[in-house]
Order: sequence, then C-alpha cells, then structure tokens
Amino acid sequence: DTAVSQTPKYLVTQMGNDKSIKCEQNLGHDTMYWYKQDSKKFLKIMFSYNNKELIINETVPNRFSPKSPDKAHLNLHINSLELGDSAVYFCASSNSGGSYGYTFGSGTRLTVV
Amino acid sequence: AQSVTQPDIHITVSEGASLELRCNYSYGATPYLFWYVQSPGQGLQLLLKYFSGDTLVQGIKGFEAEFKRSQSSFNLRKPSVHWSDAAEYFCAVGARGTSGSRLTFGEGTQLTVNP
Repeated sequence: DTAVSQTPKYLVTQMGNDKSIKCEQNLGHDTMYWYKQDSKKFLKIMFSYNNKELIINETVPNRFSPKSPDKAHLNLHINSLELGDSAVYFCASSNSGGSYGYTFGSGTRLTVV
Repeated sequence: AQSVTQPDIHITVSEGASLELRCNYSYGATPYLFWYVQSPGQGLQLLLKYFSGDTLVQGIKGFEAEFKRSQSSFNLRKPSVHWSDAAEYFCAVGARGTSGSRLTFGEGTQLTVNP
C-alpha cells in the first residue's frame, strides 16, 4: 500500500530525448509537488498542484511540463533532455497548507548521457 | 521567503553516543517544522514534525526535536545513536502563502556512525 508511488525508479536516456515520470498518491491529499535533488543532495521545489491547478512554478526551464489529470496524479514530462537534468526527482503530496505534513515518493533517478 | 540553515554538513559520532543536529530557520510567522531522513538510494522518511503546542516533539526511531522560537531553531536529538542511523538528515520549514504551501529544505547533514 504505497502512499506515494513514482515510476520509473531509474531512467537512463540520451541527450535530446523526451521522457516522462509518473506519480500517484492514495492518501486523499489535494496538493502534489515535484522536487529536484541535485548531486549535492539539495532539495528544491519545482512545481505544486492543488486540485489539478498549478499553484507553484519555480524558475524551471519550460522544457519541464507538469500535468495533473486528477488530484491523485501528477506527471512530469521533460523535453530535449540535457546533461544538467541528471538528478533525483521526488514527488510529494500533502493536504492544503501542508499542516499534516508532506509524504514523499521514493524518487526517480534520471541520468542523461 | 522562508529559509533553513543546517550548519553542519557532516557529523561523525560513535555508536551509543548522543546526537544533536542543528537547524535554524527564517520565517515571518509560526512555521511548520519537519525533520526528514534519507538513507542512501532511498526516499525521504518523516522523523517528526512541529505545528504548534508542546515545543518538545517526539518522533520515530527514538528521535526528538525542540522548537525554540527565540533562537529560531529546531534541533534534532537522539540520546543513543545506532549504526542504522547513518544517513542524510534534512530539516525543513513548511509555509503557506498566496502561492500555496511549500516545503523548503536545508542543505542536509550527513551522519556517520562509527562502531
């Protein structure tokens, strides 16, 4: 009964390719997030959706496009992958306002070669 | 905007010794505060959280943290460290604003446990 599940866990791809990462949560939360963890392990928010509406869009290249078909799913599509996109991407969910905490998925390690 | 500072990048302790990991935050209102742990190759596991009330918070795996408003700190403690506690520890502040809620992380403290 995984609370926040991401697929795939590992993704190795060539520069210039387009790839997607999927995320699903079964906690009944109405807010979902994408975080990026760089090689120094720093975690930074990329996007946040509340009830399918984009709420937070940090200074992320427009090659990254999140999509939320419903409040239990948040996918991340990346176009024209670059070497610098290599990182671990974490999906998370919370209730509105985050007052009950944030639950994270196990991450997707993206390697661009 | 909120921010979190974890002054210690790397800490080494002996198994059985006590542990304190430091965390300082910056936020204009009463924050939600969290500690997460990340084992190598794993996701983030919530250790404990502070929202309001008692400033000493108990978490999983024998960890506790104390919220000190006057010092803007939320230090994590454990009285006796086990080898399995070796991991990366992240302090985070949750904030609500017109742009929605978000969790802002510190840069992490890597804990090494010597036998």
